[in-house]
Amino acid sequence: AQKVTQAQTEISVVEKEDVTLDCVYETRDTTYYLFWYKQPPSGELVFLIRRNSFDEQNEISGRYSWNFQKSTSSFNFTITASQVVDSAVYFCALSEEYSTLTFGKGTMLLVSP
Amino acid sequence: NAGVTQTPKFQVLKTGQSMTLQCAQDMNHEYMSWYRQDPGMGLRLIHYSVGAGITDQGEVPNGYNVSRSTTEDFPLRLLSAAPSQTSVYFCASSSRTGATEAFFGQGTRLTVV
Repeated sequence: AQKVTQAQTEISVVEKEDVTLDCVYETRDTTYYLFWYKQPPSGELVFLIRRNSFDEQNEISGRYSWNFQKSTSSFNFTITASQVVDSAVYFCALSEEYSTLTFGKGTMLLVSP
Repeated sequence: NAGVTQTPKFQVLKTGQSMTLQCAQDMNHEYMSWYRQDPGMGLRLIHYSVGAGITDQGEVPNGYNVSRSTTEDFPLRLLSAAPSQTSVYFCASSSRTGATEAFFGQGTRLTVV
């Protein structure tokens, strides 16, 4: 069975701080996919990134970066120089080949000015 | 681009009433699913479909019914609403299970009194 753990329920930072959101996953498959979604206060779910299990390269997109480590079953998300607009709930999710998405419980990020 | 459209956005039901949450997608995606989001619980899968005429249960299917007569539509029926079904409901679609990102509707906030 697949499982995603986001141990941080809520994180509060001040603008311009860097922040890392942790995600630990469990799966028995060798082929699987990891995702991050953002849910701003308006409520919609916004796709951020997808990573497959064969690609351990880290990814950087502007102020966002993702660190995928199979050795520790982690897929952590870092926001550099956080901004108030980054305030949202962030979900990590996992799916095995041809299976459904399993979400973590989410981390609420509050960025204050 | 419509993407995934959910209706209604808000609904209040009395205990015991029935209703249907509508979900339609215009991306010709084979895979569609329904999730519910409750505080501190993340998103939990209710039912999903891998194509027209094919549906299956997710993690929390009790009290809900689905059918998939067309590729575009995937309605979720509450047979006899209960206060425990008060939640935010999201419909999602993707071109393939597992490998591709899911596109989400804007959500339906349901309150059962």
